[in-house]
Amino acid sequence: GQQLNQSPQSMFIQEGEDVSMNCTSSSIFNTWLWYKQDPGEGPVLLIALYKAGELTSNGRLTAQFGITRKDSFLNISASIPSDVGIYFCAGPLYNTDKLIFGTGTRLHVFP
Amino acid sequence: NAGVTQTPKFRVLKTGQSMTLLCAQDMNHEYMYWYRQDPGMGLRLIHYSVGEGTTAKGEVPDGYNVSRLKKQNFLLGLESAAPSQTSVYFCASSPTGLSNYGYTFGSGTRLTVV
Repeated sequence: GQQLNQSPQSMFIQEGEDVSMNCTSSSIFNTWLWYKQDPGEGPVLLIALYKAGELTSNGRLTAQFGITRKDSFLNISASIPSDVGIYFCAGPLYNTDKLIFGTGTRLHVFP
Repeated sequence: NAGVTQTPKFRVLKTGQSMTLLCAQDMNHEYMYWYRQDPGMGLRLIHYSVGEGTTAKGEVPDGYNVSRLKKQNFLLGLESAAPSQTSVYFCASSPTGLSNYGYTFGSGTRLTVV
């Protein structure tokens, strides 16, 4: 079935550094969503992408919808301590309106 | 505006015990979902509902039952808890089935089965 694989699984970075993570699938997606989960909370939607090649920003976050429609990327510039959390990609399961989620990238930011 | 509220936040069960997790949303959303989150596995869909009185199976439904008697509430039941059901459970809702716009999640219920 459809699966979303995220890499890296975890990252340890210093405050101020830029961060890049990606999400890949063996299947084509028509929508990519990026969520962030703060410790002890539920995921919150950060960015939504609807078209291949689309580049969308939300503050220091930028996400891209891959040209092949099988991948997406999330970049965080000038990281700060509150960026700590788990970042999930998600997309609608083929021919349904149910979301499937990636395995997550856990981000640690050190001052 | 509370959004999606889950109760309880924490629970410890003995193997074989039963319990019900409650999810309530005040956004008049039609669709509601139950996910479980396990380390390294992301979020997996257990059951979902496309409207009051409806339920459907997700990716990992075995060992769980659900009910949606009222539009604003979606209940997840464990009839006979097993250690494999130790997890963090998240409820979510969306206004329609167009998941392009994402879901609103609750803050989770951490369940431990011993």
